[in-house]
Amino acid sequence: AQSVTQLDSHVSVSEGTPVLLRCNYSSSYSPSLFWYVQHPNKGLQLLLKYTSAATLVKGINGFEAEFKKSETSFHLTKPSAHMSDAAEYFCVVSGNTGRRALTFGSGTRLQVQP
Amino acid sequence: NAGVTQTPKFQVLKTGQSMTLQCAQDMNHEYMSWYRQDPGMGLRLIHYSVGAGITDQGEVPNGYNVSRSTTEDFPLRLLSAAPSQTSVYFCASSYNRAGDQPQHFGDGTRLSIL
Repeated sequence: AQSVTQLDSHVSVSEGTPVLLRCNYSSSYSPSLFWYVQHPNKGLQLLLKYTSAATLVKGINGFEAEFKKSETSFHLTKPSAHMSDAAEYFCVVSGNTGRRALTFGSGTRLQVQP
Repeated sequence: NAGVTQTPKFQVLKTGQSMTLQCAQDMNHEYMSWYRQDPGMGLRLIHYSVGAGITDQGEVPNGYNVSRSTTEDFPLRLLSAAPSQTSVYFCASSYNRAGDQPQHFGDGTRLSIL
């Protein structure tokens, strides 16, 4: 069984300040982990993924995430928020196979204030 | 290269009506899937397919049918629409069903059942 918990449903930051979106997971397997971003009225777009290589993963648009096995966490960060980062972000865990190969978190809505 | 294309973008149905949501991908991906997105619940898997002629149920399959006659197309059928099926529906594809494969999403179909 696997699960994902996104610890904040809403995060608000000022433009130019750091972003931290928190994600904890549980998995019976060695998981693959993903962050996706969803802009209004759009589908989900891959930001980055972790697949048991380097624990610090760099993604698009300056985002990165660190896989911490001891804490079962995969938090998403960005040093300096931009207005265009305002969107909903989903943390996703993937096991090996099966009908629930992907489990999505409930999402974190990021607001960026000018 | 269009990626994943979903039609229609919006639809309003009356209870009891049937309809088909279309999904097509031009990336020659083996794996295709349908999700529904409801507020605060992330995405939940409805049905998936690992190749032409092969489909299986996901987490919330009741009230939906799928078929996969070609690699490119994966339509989702609502047999008798119910208000509980009001949601945003996303089709996704990936190279194969391996857990480390990123998903490519369409822009969604927003469906309201009256």
